[in-house]
Amino acid sequence: DTAVSQTPKYLVTQMGNDKSIKCEQNLGHDTMYWYKQDSKKFLKIMFSYNNKELIINETVPNRFSPKSPDKAHLNLHINSLELGDSAVYFCASSQEPGTTSGGYTFGSGTRLTVV
Amino acid sequence: SQKIEQNSEALNIQEGKTATLTCNYTNYSPAYLQWYRQDPGRGPVFLLLIRENEKEKRKERLKVTFDTTLKQSLFHITASQPADSATYLCGTERGGFKTIFGAGTRLFVKA
Repeated sequence: DTAVSQTPKYLVTQMGNDKSIKCEQNLGHDTMYWYKQDSKKFLKIMFSYNNKELIINETVPNRFSPKSPDKAHLNLHINSLELGDSAVYFCASSQEPGTTSGGYTFGSGTRLTVV
Repeated sequence: SQKIEQNSEALNIQEGKTATLTCNYTNYSPAYLQWYRQDPGRGPVFLLLIRENEKEKRKERLKVTFDTTLKQSLFHITASQPADSATYLCGTERGGFKTIFGAGTRLFVKA
């Protein structure tokens, strides 16, 4: 029943490792996003895909690479993890980019801890 | 560039009172403002969206206003309940389909 689901919910890994976070939405939305929430609780946009096409690519290290195999999935791969990557990563979706008709639907988040 | 400012101090109110949270934006008047609720360990949940040509929007006990002169949106919860305790985030567009968020205001409703 979950509208936007992310896996895993928790991820603890060592510096230098490569890891992936998966996201799937069953709402039929055309646009998906990755947001990062740091320790100060700011939600910062990282990427957005609309119908599998990248439309937003914020100033994010190129160690972060999103992939959208279809419009219902948006995965995030992170290479060479660093301590500063520790945060909660949220996937979200909306019917249209920027959504003027309604809000975003967020997943429950993936808490990434790099040790 | 557009920034969102929300009161970082927690708001403590008594059950039954009206909670009022503030969201200020710094630059141009956005096309819309959104309000979300976030509980610990959970993702934000969309509550209301108000457009720049709307002065006020209501949903059950929630009311949002948009004042382009003050560059401000106010979020009201009437007849507040302990279950309303959460962090409330304000978000707006920053151009190019990007929605940016404030850090949120933590609300505590005491029984």
